[in-house]
Amino acid sequence: GAGVSQSPSNKVTEKGKDVELRCDPISGHTALYWYRQSLGQGLEFLIYFQGNSAPDKSGLPSDRFSAERTGGSVSTLTIQRTQQEDSAVYLCASSLKSGAGNTEAFFGQGTRLTVV
Amino acid sequence: QQQVKQSPQSLIVQKGGISIINCAYENTAFDYFPWYQQFPGKGPALLIAIRPDVSEKKEGRFTISFNKSAKQFSLHIMDSQPGDSATYFCAASRSSTLGRLYFGRGTQLTVWP
Repeated sequence: GAGVSQSPSNKVTEKGKDVELRCDPISGHTALYWYRQSLGQGLEFLIYFQGNSAPDKSGLPSDRFSAERTGGSVSTLTIQRTQQEDSAVYLCASSLKSGAGNTEAFFGQGTRLTVV
Repeated sequence: QQQVKQSPQSLIVQKGGISIINCAYENTAFDYFPWYQQFPGKGPALLIAIRPDVSEKKEGRFTISFNKSAKQFSLHIMDSQPGDSATYFCAASRSSTLGRLYFGRGTQLTVWP
């Protein structure tokens, strides 16, 4: 596809269940981000992958959250034992790092997670 | 610690007016400063970006002003239109292979017709 693709677009889950959110970045993009956005709020950084470097996990709010990026492409964000406060829109973005520095980060449409 | 501080949190402007959103940063290693625009139900999209070797960049009605010594940058929207009503985020990053984007908290802009 031409853009960043996230699936599912909407997810309703029961409290205590595990969920997996998927992100397909733009082909060739080496950097991948996950952000969380609660209703009417800003972008909360979760995790950042850049090439083969160790990911920056400093934004993960608890050990219930984890993410991986397989083969430098697709990424999965997993939330274990979901809580109601996990309800938010989860946004993925990717960008192309080059020797000239940073380039535009492209965002997906997000996954709206509702924990009931 | 918030690496990029953005103000105001919300802004109401009349059609045809000038919208101004301000951001400040602490890390002098930052060398890339983009602004993102987000409409409800959509992901943020790049609006305009600047690097510190210039003090101003203009694209249509949108202008970034950059003050390196003050570590501040701002977005000016001239002749604001109702279609500009959205949430705007400033951001900053370093041009290193490990540098990630740091976002401000966002400004919700409403342009009255």
